[in-house]
Amino acid sequence: DTGVSQDPRHKITKRGQNVTFRCDPISEHNRLYWYRQTLGQGPEFLTYFQNEAQLEKSRLLSDRFSAERPKGSFSTLEIQRTEQGDSAMYLCASSPITGGSYEQYFGPGTRLTVT
Amino acid sequence: AQKVTQAQTEISVVEKEDVTLDCVYETRDTTYYLFWYKQPPSGELVFLIRRNSFDEQNEISGRYSWNFQKSTSSFNFTITASQVVDSAVYFCALSEAGSGGYQKVTFGTGTKLQVIP
Repeated sequence: DTGVSQDPRHKITKRGQNVTFRCDPISEHNRLYWYRQTLGQGPEFLTYFQNEAQLEKSRLLSDRFSAERPKGSFSTLEIQRTEQGDSAMYLCASSPITGGSYEQYFGPGTRLTVT
Repeated sequence: AQKVTQAQTEISVVEKEDVTLDCVYETRDTTYYLFWYKQPPSGELVFLIRRNSFDEQNEISGRYSWNFQKSTSSFNFTITASQVVDSAVYFCALSEAGSGGYQKVTFGTGTKLQVIP
């Protein structure tokens, strides 16, 4: 049973460039979440998918951010025109929809550094 | 609005000592879920426990135990006979049961535990 995977693990980019991250959830999990974590803070919710539908977006998710989950399996998070303030760890998590199990299982994260 | 407070930023203990990590939460819902996650230096968040608001029984799992008290809105985590491998950042989290079963999780700022050999 494989866990949540994320790619890449690290990304260094110059300010103004676009970046895209990928998340592959646990295969039987219908729900997928994106979080952002900065140094010394807990993860902050960004957005949530149930299957392919994006059901909620945080106000933290500015217009430069877009997330997709086209086939209800893997998801991508794109940041356009990156800014230094976007430097953070981007975490993906998934959870099942049945069985009353609400814990989310996290991937290893993608660490973004904007120079 | 939901909020989680972990007042202890960093704790250092000597190996084999017991340590308690505090968590205080705020929510207006009567149905909610509380979680503890561990984030070791490798960075990946590891799920430790989930507790729903209707179950105030304390739980023990090996060296770990959790004390849930609704009266004080606290969900504290105790590690007995700490080991160096317990060194990590521990996050307490809260989720309100939304419609359709969706749960937005709010995390505390974490407590960094260092276990000294």
